[in-house]
Amino acid sequence: DVKVTQSSRYLVKRTGEKVFLECVQDMDHENMFWYRQDPGLGLRLIYFSYDVKMKEKGDIPEGYSVSREKKERFSLILESASTNQTSMYLCASSLWGMNTEAFFGQGTRLTVV
Amino acid sequence: AQKVTQAQTEISVVEKEDVTLDCVYETRDTTYYLFWYKQPPSGELVFLIRRNSFDEQNEISGRYSWNFQKSTSSFNFTITASQVVDSAVYFCALSEELLNRDDKIIFGKGTRLHILP
Repeated sequence: DVKVTQSSRYLVKRTGEKVFLECVQDMDHENMFWYRQDPGLGLRLIYFSYDVKMKEKGDIPEGYSVSREKKERFSLILESASTNQTSMYLCASSLWGMNTEAFFGQGTRLTVV
Repeated sequence: AQKVTQAQTEISVVEKEDVTLDCVYETRDTTYYLFWYKQPPSGELVFLIRRNSFDEQNEISGRYSWNFQKSTSSFNFTITASQVVDSAVYFCALSEELLNRDDKIIFGKGTRLHILP
């Protein structure tokens, strides 16, 4: 059974903290993606990566960074968390870009207080 | 630029009714891909269908059917004889065929579907 696993389902962090959201896939996919989902805004792409150590900015990269040291793991980093980063974060992976079927993790609901 | 519009924010129907979720897209490319995903209350998006721009044939999978019309830039999704388990948020999405590998998918804002028992 193919899987994308996000390390936490729920997180509560304080303003100014450095936050790491981890995502692991077991399908040997080249491409991995981080989205945030907000009511009324749908899914917005933060960053994506099509290879180890490669990263590309999505539509809303400000305030975030990413790390992909291994093919199976893609981390989203909030350098200094702010309340406007309270959201649902979704990780996805796919073969050869999003023209193929994407597999999503279960999401991490992050609350910054 | 790419754009996906799901005009219906929320829909409620009684179980066993048919329901259609609308999706309208914009793209300048001739080669592109359209998707539907389902997000149940558990949160994980589940892939439902992928359609490329050269394949306008409608698709049926059990109670689900999709109507792709390039003339109106629409890719609508119909659930026949709806069931309570169909309650979820449904996303339509678009991906363009790009020459390099940094292709990405653009999602609509989603339609929340409530199936009432």
